[in-house]
Amino acid sequence: DGGITQSPKYLFRKEGQNVTLSCEQNLNHDAMYWYRQDPGQGLRLIYYSQIVNDFQKGDIAEGYSVSREKKESFPLTVTSAQKNPTAFYLCASSRGQSSGANVLTFGAGSRLTVL
Amino acid sequence: QKEVEQNSGPLSVPEGAIASLNCTYSDRGSQSFFWYRQYSGKSPELIMSIYSNGDKEDGRFTAQLNKASQYVSLLIRDSQPSDSATYLCAVNAGNMLTFGGGTRLMVKP
Repeated sequence: DGGITQSPKYLFRKEGQNVTLSCEQNLNHDAMYWYRQDPGQGLRLIYYSQIVNDFQKGDIAEGYSVSREKKESFPLTVTSAQKNPTAFYLCASSRGQSSGANVLTFGAGSRLTVL
Repeated sequence: QKEVEQNSGPLSVPEGAIASLNCTYSDRGSQSFFWYRQYSGKSPELIMSIYSNGDKEDGRFTAQLNKASQYVSLLIRDSQPSDSATYLCAVNAGNMLTFGGGTRLMVKP
């Protein structure tokens, strides 16, 4: 079955450490996205990529980095510069930019806790 | 900045009643509108999309769009306890989706 796989599901990090969240999709989608969700809040866009080897900052990119070396993969690194990284991270993908093609499919999410 | 606003709730309705969820948006250029359901601790799942003014029905769900007034709503008929979740409104203008903060719905048996 096609879908999006995020790992790990739960992650604990000490302050000052970088961590990388994995996101892999086999939907042959062009566009991929990373969102952050805090308790009781909506989704905020961190980074997105519409094509391999290209990505753009979203609304809250500071303290995060991404790469898009393969169509299927869009890992997110939470760096030590992110001052409040404890949150639920969601990866999503969509077919692309054409009208009506931006229906998002989400992965199961990764919950990061800073100790 | 493009904004999507939702009442955070909780909206409490008795089982079998109609639940009405509302969303307003600021960007008049918005073209696509979506409702996602999110259970606690889970990822959002798409339940409705609507692209033109009027109503769109899918089973117990009806999405309503009024571009002139810049609002989109979701009606859930015959609400069930299993409908208890947070409902996220998402609006697209151009290539990006902007999400509202979500409305928490509680359906009481």
